[in-house]
Amino acid sequence: NAGVTQTPKFRILKIGQSMTLQCTQDMNHNYMYWYRQDPGMGLKLIYYSVGAGITDKGEVPNGYNVSRSTTEDFPLRLELAAPSQTSVYFCATSGTSRNGEQYFGPGTRLTVT
Amino acid sequence: QQPVQSPQAVILREGEDAVINCSSSKALYSVHWYRQKHGEAPVFLMILLKGGEQKGHEKISASFNEKKQQSSLYLTASQLSYSGTYFCGTTYGGSQGNLIFGKGTKLSVKP
Repeated sequence: NAGVTQTPKFRILKIGQSMTLQCTQDMNHNYMYWYRQDPGMGLKLIYYSVGAGITDKGEVPNGYNVSRSTTEDFPLRLELAAPSQTSVYFCATSGTSRNGEQYFGPGTRLTVT
Repeated sequence: QQPVQSPQAVILREGEDAVINCSSSKALYSVHWYRQKHGEAPVFLMILLKGGEQKGHEKISASFNEKKQQSSLYLTASQLSYSGTYFCGTTYGGSQGNLIFGKGTKLSVKP
């Protein structure tokens, strides 16, 4: 079992470019989340999904989009990258509810210059 | 709504004890604790639920005072492996609330 995998590990984008951060889980969890982590600021929820076909905004959704066509995959799309989106992005899953233990992927470190 | 953690940082010698606090200005449904080592993903430690239920994987103890809207994580007889940043996350309003994380407490354990 790989758990939660994220690709790429690192990426440098130019301002205005777009990209998709991939997240895949093999835990058969319904709940999936995208967080961003800025130095000294904790984790902020961007988007979440309670199951295939259902997504909703978190605290900081502006500049991002998500889709959830399968239980396994939850990609995060950045359109028109801005320096403010420089951060470490973590995907996470939980099995029982949004209030359950969360399992995090290894993260993607994104720099926008 | 972001919970407030204290202290921001603490340095210990192996074998010493530490307490990390997490407080909220709103009534809490649950408190979650995670540890993150440098360059790695956060790892689950414990959930404390309103009503007294606790779920955890490690031999780390914590308390949840619903009246005071706060939780404390107790690290006793610390080991080098305890080093990292500890985050509390809080939920409000029931089992379907999203987790809101504090800014973290950096713990360094020295030999």
